[in-house]
Amino acid sequence: LAKTTQPISMDSYEGQEVNITCSHNNIATNDYITWYQQFPSQGPRFIIQGYKTKVTNEVASLFIPADRKSSTLSLPRVSLSDTAVYYCLVGDGIKAAGNKLTFGGGTRVLVKP
Amino acid sequence: SQTIHQWPATLVQPVGSPLSLECTVEGTSNPNLYWYRQAAGRGLQLLFYSVGIGQISSEVPQNLSASRPQDRQFILSSKKLLLSDSGFYLCAWSQGVQGGGYTFGSGTRLTVV
Repeated sequence: LAKTTQPISMDSYEGQEVNITCSHNNIATNDYITWYQQFPSQGPRFIIQGYKTKVTNEVASLFIPADRKSSTLSLPRVSLSDTAVYYCLVGDGIKAAGNKLTFGGGTRVLVKP
Repeated sequence: SQTIHQWPATLVQPVGSPLSLECTVEGTSNPNLYWYRQAAGRGLQLLFYSVGIGQISSEVPQNLSASRPQDRQFILSSKKLLLSDSGFYLCAWSQGVQGGGYTFGSGTRLTVV
């Protein structure tokens, strides 16, 4: 399983863009990159997933360079409610292998007024 | 649509007592099922996963066990709880297709006293 490394914490202010970079140097060919958001006392919630280049949805963008050894989650114009822990994970999603995802410590994002 | 139910939401149990946490998934068939534990202020630790009925894989040696008596039911158990079993327990499912993400339940806060 590919290991991920991401910053422990980040502070930001309302209305700013937050970019969290995750390193996954030993990502495998079949691995996808997925980001989750977790609020206190809740289960993690899927944010976005990508394989290469750029993916954008209604809440975030995910930038993946050609070598796929890192990825950057971009949260545009954050609000106080975006204060949470953000996890970067890699995995191939193959059922027979269990599709196990290993969560690291995540990045604690604090959005200040 | 698919839903995942996990109960109870909170539980306080004395040391040495048994434990049974239940998780059920609706709206899908043959999902991969997972049990994670999260200690206070920490990341998620994968405890067990299952790719099918009766198929359980343990990720870490511990005082807990898991069972999958039905396709969409996953149970976490212990015969005798330890203080160190306290934590936030999360059930999750995935379809096991390539690139597939996880959907988490709302979690059970277990306090062993």
